[in-house]
Amino acid sequence: GAGVSQSPSNKVTEKGKDVELRCDPISGHTALYWYRQRLGQGLEFLIYFQGNSAPDKSGLPSDRFSAERTGESVSTLTIQRTQQEDSAVYLCASSLDRGLKHYNEQFFGPGTRLTVL
Amino acid sequence: GESVGLHLPTLSVQEGDNSIINCAYSNSASDYFIWYKQESGKGPQFIIDIRSNMDKRQGQRVTVLLNKTVKHLSLQIAATQPGDSAVYFCAENKGVAGGTSYGKLTFGQGTILTVHP
Repeated sequence: GAGVSQSPSNKVTEKGKDVELRCDPISGHTALYWYRQRLGQGLEFLIYFQGNSAPDKSGLPSDRFSAERTGESVSTLTIQRTQQEDSAVYLCASSLDRGLKHYNEQFFGPGTRLTVL
Repeated sequence: GESVGLHLPTLSVQEGDNSIINCAYSNSASDYFIWYKQESGKGPQFIIDIRSNMDKRQGQRVTVLLNKTVKHLSLQIAATQPGDSAVYFCAENKGVAGGTSYGKLTFGQGTILTVHP
C-alpha cells in the first residue's frame, strides 16, 4: 500500500517568507510526527500528534514554527518568516497505536528539502 | 542534557564482512531502542528494535545488543552487502506508565556505513 508522502519534495524560498509543508500519513495511522534533519545530522523531534489528544509541541524550536493536523489525516507544518538556519530536510512519520507493551514503529516519508536563501 | 550518541561517524567494510555499529545513550529511563537505516535522499527505515528488559534481539542478518550497565547499544550486520551502505541511526524512545511506547524519538548523529565490493 501507499507509504507516507510529503510535498513538496524540494522547496527554495527567500529569507522572511512563510512556507507550508504537507504530510499525508499512511491511512489508519493515528500518530503523526514531524522531525527536522540538518545536513549530516540526526533527526530532531519537532511535534507529535496522537489521535484526539493535545499534540506534543515540545520540540518546536520557536514560535515561527507551527503544525496542524486534520483528524487522523493530513498534517501541515508551517514556518513563518523563514531564516537561513531553517534550511534542512523536514521528515514526517506516522504509526499505528498498537497499544500496551509495543513499540509503535514509525514509518517515514521521503522528506521535504527546504532551502532558505 | 540527555542524548544518544555514536562512537564512530564512518565505517568502511568489505563485502561479506560483519559490521558493528555502536551507540551510547545517556537516558536510563528509555524503554525502547531502535536502529534505523537511511539511504541517500530517503527517509529513515526501521531495522530492528529492542526493549530495555532485553539484552539481545536478532533479525534477518542483524542483531542488536543492549548493555544497560554501560548504556551501550550496538547493531551487528552479518555478511554485509553493498546494499547495506547507508547512514545508520540509533534512537531511543521513552515509554510511559502502562507500558505503551511514546512517540517522541531521540536520535543519535548517525554512522555512515560504506561497503566495498
